[in-house]
Amino acid sequence: KNQVEQSPQSLIILEGKNCTLQCNYTVSPFSNLRWYKQDTGRGPVSLTIMTFSENTKSNGRYTATLDADTKQSSLHITASQLSDSASYICVVSARYSSASKIIFGSGTRLSIRP
Amino acid sequence: DVKVTQSSRYLVKRTGEKVFLECVQDMDHENMFWYRQDPGLGLRLIYFSYDVKMKEKGDIPEGYSVSREKKERFSLILESASTNQTSMYLCASSPGTPGTSGSFSSYEQYFGPGTRLTVT
Repeated sequence: KNQVEQSPQSLIILEGKNCTLQCNYTVSPFSNLRWYKQDTGRGPVSLTIMTFSENTKSNGRYTATLDADTKQSSLHITASQLSDSASYICVVSARYSSASKIIFGSGTRLSIRP
Repeated sequence: DVKVTQSSRYLVKRTGEKVFLECVQDMDHENMFWYRQDPGLGLRLIYFSYDVKMKEKGDIPEGYSVSREKKERFSLILESASTNQTSMYLCASSPGTPGTSGSFSSYEQYFGPGTRLTVT
């Protein structure tokens, strides 16, 4: 069964600190993995995408890693800011010969405290 | 910038009413999607469309129908709203290969702001 599990469910850190969010998946055949950021009351916005051959991708203070062997990904946020308060969603895609499947994790809710 | 707009941010309807949720995208994308988002669950796909008048069921299509008469507009219809359809509804669009249903995994999806629907 295709699944995407994220941990922790929620996280509170102080402004300026770093944090790492985890994503484990059992999706096959793997096509790509994206991290989305969803601000409260808004739709998700893509942060990074990684394919099978990529193991690190950065977008400013956000760095995503992918270990395709262990089927794990992480999103590391450096020097957090108040605007980083949001839900972070891991999304894994599978690609079959004539179909696609996208599986969303339930997200990690991150709160940054001043 | 890609823009995906949804007709309402908040909607309150009574059980049994017919409900229309509309979504419009301005980037000439082939693919459009309707999801619902509930606490503790990931986004779940209701329906998607890969071309005008072409649609496919997602993971939870029961109780919903869709319409795509124009490329830029994708409507979600609740024929007879029920309380278990209270949820946040998100529309998304993405590029794709015209006329091909299976290409969307390669492309980023662009989401609208969502419609919070309450059915009482």
